[in-house]
Amino acid sequence: DAKTTQPNSMESNEEEPVHLPCNHSTISGTDYIHWYRQLPSQGPEYVIHGLTSNVNNRMASLAIAEDRKSSTLILHRATLRDAAVYYCILSAGNNRKLIWGLGTSLAVNP
Amino acid sequence: DAGVIQSPRHEVTEMGQEVTLRCKPISGHNSLFWYRQTMMRGLELLIYFNNNVPIDDSGMPEDRFSAKMPNASFSTLKIQPSEPRDSAVYFCASSLLGGISYEQYFGPGTRLTVT
Repeated sequence: DAKTTQPNSMESNEEEPVHLPCNHSTISGTDYIHWYRQLPSQGPEYVIHGLTSNVNNRMASLAIAEDRKSSTLILHRATLRDAAVYYCILSAGNNRKLIWGLGTSLAVNP
Repeated sequence: DAGVIQSPRHEVTEMGQEVTLRCKPISGHNSLFWYRQTMMRGLELLIYFNNNVPIDDSGMPEDRFSAKMPNASFSTLKIQPSEPRDSAVYFCASSLLGGISYEQYFGPGTRLTVT
């Protein structure tokens, strides 16, 4: 299974943009890139996913490198509620199995 | 919709006892996942079902763990006998099979403590 590498922790200030990086140098052509986050004492929640093109939704944007070996989750204006662990995950095209790493713990300062 | 429902939310039991965790997926979802989360190992997939059929149970740690999905609206994860190393938060998640989006919806989890 392809692996992802993320920084253990990051810090941001409220109302500033946050760029969360993820390296996945062994990604294969059929792997989708998923991002989930887990707020304290809650189950993970879906944030966004993509294959090759950049993606936007109401929560965040996903920027995927041209060679697909890295991606960046962008929170345009961090709020205190965005403090969470963010997971970058790969899954094969038809495989519903998500392999979870330890993620990036994001702290947001008021 | 109420989301994924798990019960109990907390369970404390003694080593050797049987533990049963329950999950009700979101109505209409036909994929169901059981995960275990610990500080040391993070989030691990134990087993998942498509249309009530177990597809991949390679993450089930050993024979003490078993999971069933008798119908589309109910699943159980059983540990018999339980051991202290089984202490963890167990999550159930569901999703809609088909299409490209694999968005999984997680329940609130069951915190299991085995003493």
